[in-house]
Amino acid sequence: QAVLTQPSSLSASPGASASLTCTLRSGINVGTYRIYWYQQKPGSPPQYLLRYKSDSDKQQGSGVPSRFSGSKDASANAGILLISGLQSEDEADYYCMIWHSGAYVFGTGTKVTVL
Amino acid sequence: EVHLLESGGDLVQPGGSLRLSCAASGFIFSSYSMSWVRQAPGKGLQWVSVIGGSGGTTYYADSVKGRFTISRDNSKNTLYLQMNSLRAEDTAVYYCAKDATGAGGFDYWGQGTLVTVSS
Repeated sequence: QAVLTQPSSLSASPGASASLTCTLRSGINVGTYRIYWYQQKPGSPPQYLLRYKSDSDKQQGSGVPSRFSGSKDASANAGILLISGLQSEDEADYYCMIWHSGAYVFGTGTKVTVL
Repeated sequence: EVHLLESGGDLVQPGGSLRLSCAASGFIFSSYSMSWVRQAPGKGLQWVSVIGGSGGTTYYADSVKGRFTISRDNSKNTLYLQMNSLRAEDTAVYYCAKDATGAGGFDYWGQGTLVTVSS
């Protein structure tokens, strides 16, 4: 079982909200981790969106719009990236990441399509 | 403005060696940890290695441990990745990435350099 699991794809309409989940493997408690989120468009390197551990330990990437926000769902043991007011330019792959047992680990990635 | 420029990617035979470089500018290089992250064609991101600002601390992914060596020359603002015993599964675009301030993660990435391992 992967350390971080993300849905492979998500589709939503322009102006809608999209909630991307990053589920941690059983036995790894989401509450203890900073979760980093990245956006990658075809042919380009990833771009840093934000970091979220708690409301008192979070950081927005430089120039990243506030419609991108992070949170956690402790009951689902998952980190969440919320994209509000979806725009066509948000169509991309999204990856979560944590530092776990002496290594950075990326999630499996979610491809977001804006219909 | 932060700028990271990778170089050294090439076509190499299985079992061969290659050294990647990442030239950094726009920040105090020695103050930040630096990482290598790779992406196989059509696949997701895979972290490879990280090195502390002074070069004294390093970590590696299990898949490259014992074959790859990360290093840095703070006098030249340059990060390196020495890759030995290369395998077909090492074929990927290799990115260097700068640690974000104080709390981990990567806030800046280079454009990447392609390593192809094939006979």
